[in-house]
Amino acid sequence: QKEVEQNSGPLSVPEGAIASLNCTYSDRGSQSFFWYRQYSGKSPELIMSIYSNGDKEDGRFTAQLNKASQYVSLLIRDSQPSDSATYLCAVKANTGGFKTIFGAGTRLFVKA
Amino acid sequence: DGGITQSPKYLFRKEGQNVTLSCEQNLNHDAMYWYRQDPGQGLRLIYYSQIVNDFQKGDIAEGYSVSREKKESFPLTVTSAQKNPTAFYLCASSIPTWGTNEKLFFGSGTQLSVL
Repeated sequence: QKEVEQNSGPLSVPEGAIASLNCTYSDRGSQSFFWYRQYSGKSPELIMSIYSNGDKEDGRFTAQLNKASQYVSLLIRDSQPSDSATYLCAVKANTGGFKTIFGAGTRLFVKA
Repeated sequence: DGGITQSPKYLFRKEGQNVTLSCEQNLNHDAMYWYRQDPGQGLRLIYYSQIVNDFQKGDIAEGYSVSREKKESFPLTVTSAQKNPTAFYLCASSIPTWGTNEKLFFGSGTQLSVL
């Protein structure tokens, strides 16, 4: 079982719609959860971090965490073509020091 | 401007050759990391260092070596023992905080290809 799992996609949504990205993780002791956005050929950039159960909103982005279900999601409201990228879910494990474990990423296409 | 600088942007390796990827940061971060990314895949950890003169193997360290002689620098050598080195290599740094609130700052990456 992979430590962090995401649907590879691609996920295609029309402009203005809500894009929903999902991620599950295996280490029940994980404390920190992150969503990074990566444009093709570029390095990842952090867009959201979440540490406690519930929702966290930042502009058009909402991260949701459910530790009991070992599930974290990212909602992008009013999706724009510029949101088209690969979204990487990352989890900071409770073991192994300061390692951050990444999922394989979900490719999102927002159609104009 | 503070940041992480990786060089070169593109690198070609001949069979049997060792090559070194450079990573320099001026963010005064203690922790530095090397990740490998293959097409359509996530980032896999090669090596990481939490402090000068100390580093640990990540999940795919075989065929790679690192050094951490200065806080600012964490070079990665891809040795001839790494039989499939073609990938996008990302260096990152962070201020480690115990258990929470770690943000990774990434360099712009090095694309390594085999001739």
